[in-house]
Amino acid sequence: AQSVTQLDSQVPVFEEAPVELRCNYSSSVSVYLFWYVQYPNQGLQLLLKYLSGSTLVESINGFEAEFNKSQTSFHLRKPSVHISDTAEYFCAVSDGYGGATNKLIFGTGTLLAVQP
Amino acid sequence: DAGITQSPRHKVTETGTPVTLRCHQTENHRYMYWYRQDPGHGLRLIHYSYGVKDTDKGEVSDGYSVSRSKTEDFLLTLESATSSQTSVYFCAISEGGASDEQFFGPGTRLTVL
Repeated sequence: AQSVTQLDSQVPVFEEAPVELRCNYSSSVSVYLFWYVQYPNQGLQLLLKYLSGSTLVESINGFEAEFNKSQTSFHLRKPSVHISDTAEYFCAVSDGYGGATNKLIFGTGTLLAVQP
Repeated sequence: DAGITQSPRHKVTETGTPVTLRCHQTENHRYMYWYRQDPGHGLRLIHYSYGVKDTDKGEVSDGYSVSRSKTEDFLLTLESATSSQTSVYFCAISEGGASDEQFFGPGTRLTVL
């Protein structure tokens, strides 16, 4: 079965500094990978996803993630963070590659705390 | 925003009582999911539905049941609530397919005393 590891439960960072949130998944077979973001007291929303093709995917608010098959990683990065990026970030892998059922396996989340 | 509502948004109940949470969508999406979110565990799938009257178990289904009699509604029932079921419950929907985005509701905070 698939599993997702987010080793960092919290990442404190100063505003305008770069940040990397780490994500590793267990399977070496083809997968679909997702990053979701959860702002305080809200549900999750999709930040970006990797399906196929270019290994670097970007979001509209400056985040990017790189799919690395050999290291089974999908780390999330941003070159310069803002206070408004403070949120919890979840990495997820789809358990149904190529199939009709999208069951997501989530990591335990990383709280990004941006300080002024 | 995807049209997903959850009710109630907050509930406090006592051990042993039945509880039903409702998820309602206006998007006509085929798939609906119930997750629970707990500190240190992320989100874990309880049950999901792939059509009216078609449901299946997730990784933490013990103590929970679900029903879907209409496309737009997905109910989660705790037959006899326990303190270990204190959690935040999220409903999600998707059109289907392993590559599709899931859209999440605002969540229900359930406390079992």
